[in-house]
Amino acid sequence: DIQMTQSPPSLSASVGDRVTITCRASQSISAYLNWYQQKPGKVPKVLISAASTLQSGVPSRFSGSGSGTDFSLTIFSLQPEDFATYYCQQSYTMPYTFGQGTRLEMK
Amino acid sequence: EMQLVQSGGNLVQPGGSLRLSCAASGFTFSRYSMNWVRQAPGKGLEYISYIDSSSSTKNYADSVKGRITVSRDNAKNSLYLQMNSLSVEDTAMYYCARGRSSDYGDYYLDYWGPGTRVIVSS
Repeated sequence: DIQMTQSPPSLSASVGDRVTITCRASQSISAYLNWYQQKPGKVPKVLISAASTLQSGVPSRFSGSGSGTDFSLTIFSLQPEDFATYYCQQSYTMPYTFGQGTRLEMK
Repeated sequence: EMQLVQSGGNLVQPGGSLRLSCAASGFTFSRYSMNWVRQAPGKGLEYISYIDSSSSTKNYADSVKGRITVSRDNAKNSLYLQMNSLSVEDTAMYYCARGRSSDYGDYYLDYWGPGTRVIVSS
């Protein structure tokens, strides 16, 4: 199975900050990389697919990039509703494994 | 309105079995692949199973292979997860999720059920 490694595991930031979360795959996955957001007690929500395609309704302050093995999710100008846990997921080959998550906390 | 209604979660003893269900409505269930994802208490998401729209392709994570069987009944708009030989490590919230493919060919989980809780304990 492909291993997905996210960093950092947790991150403290303030409203208005720009933050970047990285995700590394154990082998090349082209651009088959998704990002999800999960808030406490809620189901995950897909933000970005194909490494950089913003899903409908997702604010433009979210941006994804990368290909091959290294990917990143950047949130420009953090808003209060963005404090959550973020997961990457590869969809290159089954099983479609997730990263371990990055918890974004308010400083 | 799209809905995934989950059921079947319960408290079960180690070594026991459970069958989880996920009933779909509001979309053409038979056209979509489906997935199961679980989340242990306080932990991250773990992808565990895939089934394509016609049940011709199934896939499992190594952590559950041989103990879990995914199936679906398109006539009943329902997805199932049969779980056997359960251990405490299987304690988690289990989510069903619809799979979506784009023109690019990527695949993502675009709609999730609310989850059903499985607790394995003696």
